[in-house]
Amino acid sequence: DIQMTQSPSSLSASVGDRVTITCRANHDISTYLSWYQQKPGKAPKLLIFDTSNSQTGVPSRFSGTGSVTHFTLTISSLQPEDVATYYCQHYDILPPRKLTFGQGTRLE
Amino acid sequence: QLQESGPGLVKPSETLSLTCTVSNGSISGGRYYYTWIRQPPGKGLEWIGTLYYSGSTSYNPSLRSRIAISVDTSKNQFSLNLTSVTAADTAVYFCAEGLNFFDPWGQGILVTVSS
Repeated sequence: DIQMTQSPSSLSASVGDRVTITCRANHDISTYLSWYQQKPGKAPKLLIFDTSNSQTGVPSRFSGTGSVTHFTLTISSLQPEDVATYYCQHYDILPPRKLTFGQGTRLE
Repeated sequence: QLQESGPGLVKPSETLSLTCTVSNGSISGGRYYYTWIRQPPGKGLEWIGTLYYSGSTSYNPSLRSRIAISVDTSKNQFSLNLTSVTAADTAVYFCAEGLNFFDPWGQGILVTVSS
């Protein structure tokens, strides 16, 4: 089974900081990875799909890179409204399909 | 665009039944993929299963024996049935649009399994 491990589990940063969150897979997942932002009491919001493609309307300070087993989400200049938990998510393209989320990174 | 509905409390061993109403009419419009995802209180996200426009489904192997996802195109709704629930099934259940990644999501509905 594919397992996704995010690091760190939590981090504290200041407005204007550059923040990087890492997601590692235990097997090669190509670029089949997405990133979500979840604020307390809200549904997750899609930020990035297929490793580096920004969803429409997502601020340009959010970017994603990576391949194979190592992926990163970067916030270039942290804003107060970016306080949230961030999840990576992998999807299989071959049957039996399975989708797996990372355990989350809490950004304060 | 998506709204979950159903009981907020289910007894152990019973069946959890939820419905997601899609307001933009895309279910009746043809090609679609809709997914259920859940989140236990204070924990991470878990994919439950996906409904394809062809009528086929794919399910999380860990839940496959207990779940069924179906569609009612006349009502622009799709549903989740989860049988033999236990306290471990207590979670916020989200419906979302998508096959490999998901947008938009419903607001979520908290379902508590308790006697």
